[in-house]
Amino acid sequence: GAGVSQTPSNKVTEKGKYVELRCDPISGHTALYWYRQSLGQGPEFLIYFQGTGAADDSGLPNDRFFAVRPEGSVSTLKIQRTERGDSAVYLCASSLYYGGPGDTQYFGPGTRLTVL
Amino acid sequence: SQQGEEDPQALSIQEGENATMNCSYKTSINNLQWYRQNSGRGLVHLILIRSNEREKHSGRLRVTLDTSKKSSSLLITASRAADTASYFCANSGGSNYKLTFGKGTLLTVNP
Repeated sequence: GAGVSQTPSNKVTEKGKYVELRCDPISGHTALYWYRQSLGQGPEFLIYFQGTGAADDSGLPNDRFFAVRPEGSVSTLKIQRTERGDSAVYLCASSLYYGGPGDTQYFGPGTRLTVL
Repeated sequence: SQQGEEDPQALSIQEGENATMNCSYKTSINNLQWYRQNSGRGLVHLILIRSNEREKHSGRLRVTLDTSKKSSSLLITASRAADTASYFCANSGGSNYKLTFGKGTLLTVNP
């Protein structure tokens, strides 16, 4: 596709529910990233995939958060037992290579998650 | 925690004027990137400057990097109302992939 796409664009859920957020990276991009952005803040790193494997998941806030990329393309961010503090915009990005010094990360439009 | 800081937090100018935004960071970097964000949604990549570069141009954008001061600036010349957005700098630190963002500068260009 022309750019990174994310679905849904908006998700409203109730506290305690499970949600899945999907990211389709730019075709041919090998690296994929998830970030989370709270209101009035810059994005914060969550996880980075090289191909199918999570090379760095140090930004995931706790074990309720999990992400997969089974075929090295589409990725799903999964949040269990959602809490109101999980409300944020979840951004996905992809880059052509495995994060070299000249590697640009291209971002999707984000999924706005609201936990009531 | 975020390691970058943009300055100013908000900037309001008239169309046609130049806008300058600054960014400071704390760690060594491989590159520094500037992004624009409209209405709190997707980030649009503007420009990447590598740690061994001092200045870079792209259209109406000019970015400088001073690694000795751990700072960068973004200049937008001849601003337009459509430039109204939040602008973020992001650095990769030593990781090459984990971008660290500041809180951004909210630029308002008045027609």
